[in-house]
Amino acid sequence: QVQIVQSGAEVKKPGASVKVSCTASGYTFSNYAMHWVRQAPGQRLEWMGWINADNGNTKYSQNFQGRVTITRDTSASTAYMELSSLRSEDTAVYYCARSKRYYDSSGNLLLDVWGKGTTVTVSS
Amino acid sequence: SSELTQDPAVSVALGQTVRITCQGDSLRSYYASWYQQKPGQAPVLVIYGKNNRPSGIPDRFSGSSSGNTASLTITGARAEDEADYHCKSRDSSGNQLVFGGGTKLTVL
Repeated sequence: QVQIVQSGAEVKKPGASVKVSCTASGYTFSNYAMHWVRQAPGQRLEWMGWINADNGNTKYSQNFQGRVTITRDTSASTAYMELSSLRSEDTAVYYCARSKRYYDSSGNLLLDVWGKGTTVTVSS
Repeated sequence: SSELTQDPAVSVALGQTVRITCQGDSLRSYYASWYQQKPGQAPVLVIYGKNNRPSGIPDRFSGSSSGNTASLTITGARAEDEADYHCKSRDSSGNQLVFGGGTKLTVL
């Protein structure tokens, strides 16, 4: 079945970087895109960016521009999200989620399969 | 504004109908999609486009849109529908995805 497995929880100090992975199975990885969404405690879901798994093109949220890098390894059906210059406000659950590579007829990118989330804690 | 606004909390009696709304300027141009999230779990897509349900989503879930407001309606709410519901769309530039603040639905 289609599933996405994320890497385990991380604890980082302020100023460090974190790299989270999500490995897809049950579908052709390069036929889709992968998004990263985070949810800080008590906060709304926040979209961080996405990568076209076929050509590697990325787009990032303006809120994270310069701090986030999304990459993929098609041979491993895995996408990665690296967030740098961590601060306490980056403590959150980080999700990856699949979408088609192009907007659908209603102008949407639908996040139809999600990983279970990776908890990142930033603390000194 | 690129933001999507939702009521923080809504309640409904078991078996009754509830509507959850999402407001934002970008909804005049783009449809919203809706995600259900239960505690400790990842979100699940429940409604997208004009009024479409992914496979496996019960038909008591429906969607609609008018002007700058998108709505998710649950007809005949069940105990298992108690969850947070998040709307999502594109921002006014069309280049970014944005989520609403989420609505916590309590089924009484």
